[in-house]
Amino acid sequence: DAGVIQSPRHEVTEMGQEVTLRCKPISGHNSLFWYRQTMMRGLELLIYFNNNVPIDDSGMPEDRFSAKMPNASFSTLKIQPSEPRDSAVYFCASSPGAGGPGNEQFFGPGTRLTVL
Amino acid sequence: GENVEQHPSTLSVQEGDSAVIKCTYSDSASNYFPWYKQELGKGPQLIIDIRSNVGEKKDQRIAVTLNKTAKHFSLHITETQPEDSAVYFCAASKQSGGTASKLTFGTGTRLQVTL
Repeated sequence: DAGVIQSPRHEVTEMGQEVTLRCKPISGHNSLFWYRQTMMRGLELLIYFNNNVPIDDSGMPEDRFSAKMPNASFSTLKIQPSEPRDSAVYFCASSPGAGGPGNEQFFGPGTRLTVL
Repeated sequence: GENVEQHPSTLSVQEGDSAVIKCTYSDSASNYFPWYKQELGKGPQLIIDIRSNVGEKKDQRIAVTLNKTAKHFSLHITETQPEDSAVYFCAASKQSGGTASKLTFGTGTRLQVTL
């Protein structure tokens, strides 16, 4: 299995631009999570989906952030407009959920976002 | 909500020595406790986990213990090797009905194994 796939791996953009991060979960996994990692705040859960349905988006910092999961094999995290304080590494993780033995989450390699 | 505290933030040990990382959690309903290892430039990787119905679990040089009464759990690495150098995160969650639920992570421990 290829594991969780994220693209792009690195993104540099200017303040005010729209940024779209992409994730392909492990095939057969029913749950998908978006995290943000910074030195100051550590690993923060932004939003997660079970069976393509958003379950908890309380971690989404503000209305500039939105996430979608149109099908079981694809999810996007969009920031519009982006700000310098959004600079971080964004991780996507997937989990077997109800389809597997438990709560194990498998992380992708992350997207390093820099907003100038 | 759940709060997970992790100590120490940095840990330096000599190769061959043991390393212990400790975490406490606040929500007594939490029942799943994974540990992740994150190497530079990579995503966190699950290395071991424990559920609240057991007190200890081992996998080769790695072991995890859980004390539900005290609400703390620990990671033990024996015979440390340079490749064990990384940042380690503990996490806790409340799992029910077999569906995935969110993890609350500790702040991480940077382990350095010196020769």
